[in-house]
Amino acid sequence: NAGVMQNPRHLVRRRGQEARLRCSPMKGHSHVYWYRQLPEEGLKFMVYLQKENIIDESGMPKERFSAEFPKEGPSILRIQQVVRGDSAAYFCASSPNVATEQYFGPGTRLTVT
Amino acid sequence: AQSVTQPDIHITVSEGASLELRCNYSYGATPYLFWYVQSPGQGLQLLLKYFSGDTLVQGIKGFEAEFKRSQSSFNLRKPSVHWSDAAEYFCAVGISTQGGSEKLVFGKGTKLTVNP
Repeated sequence: NAGVMQNPRHLVRRRGQEARLRCSPMKGHSHVYWYRQLPEEGLKFMVYLQKENIIDESGMPKERFSAEFPKEGPSILRIQQVVRGDSAAYFCASSPNVATEQYFGPGTRLTVT
Repeated sequence: AQSVTQPDIHITVSEGASLELRCNYSYGATPYLFWYVQSPGQGLQLLLKYFSGDTLVQGIKGFEAEFKRSQSSFNLRKPSVHWSDAAEYFCAVGISTQGGSEKLVFGKGTKLTVNP
């Protein structure tokens, strides 16, 4: 059973460009979570999605960030007009139900130059 | 507000020595508690979890953790550390909201160095 898959593993963008991060949950998992890991700040929750629905985006910056989990295909975290402060590791996790353990992908390391 | 505190930023132990990593949480309801391990440049691997029942839980790689409600703690232990255990360890509490949200709140991590 394949684990959570994320791509790309590394992404370099210039300031002002768009970044698209993809996450395919484990088979049978319909709950997806995105977290961001910044140096010295640890892992912070960004958004929780179920198929076609955003359940909780309380951790998302108000501007430039969006997420989706369509009926078909992977979940996408989109960052528009990236800035240097967006450089971080972005992790996706999935779970089969609520109130269960979350399984993490290998992460996407975004570098903004 | 919910929070997780890992008091030790960095711990160094000798191979074969015992290990205890501390974790304290602040959460008003019954917590779901987790320990994850992260090797450099990698994702997070679940070591163990506590949902209910026996307060001493066993995990993978010989790790165990004990939930103590009176101390709001969930410390991770291993009787004999191996060099391959060198990594960063994260304690997390699972938060549920009435709106149906689920999320993990993480501590800032403890980096473990193992000396030969």
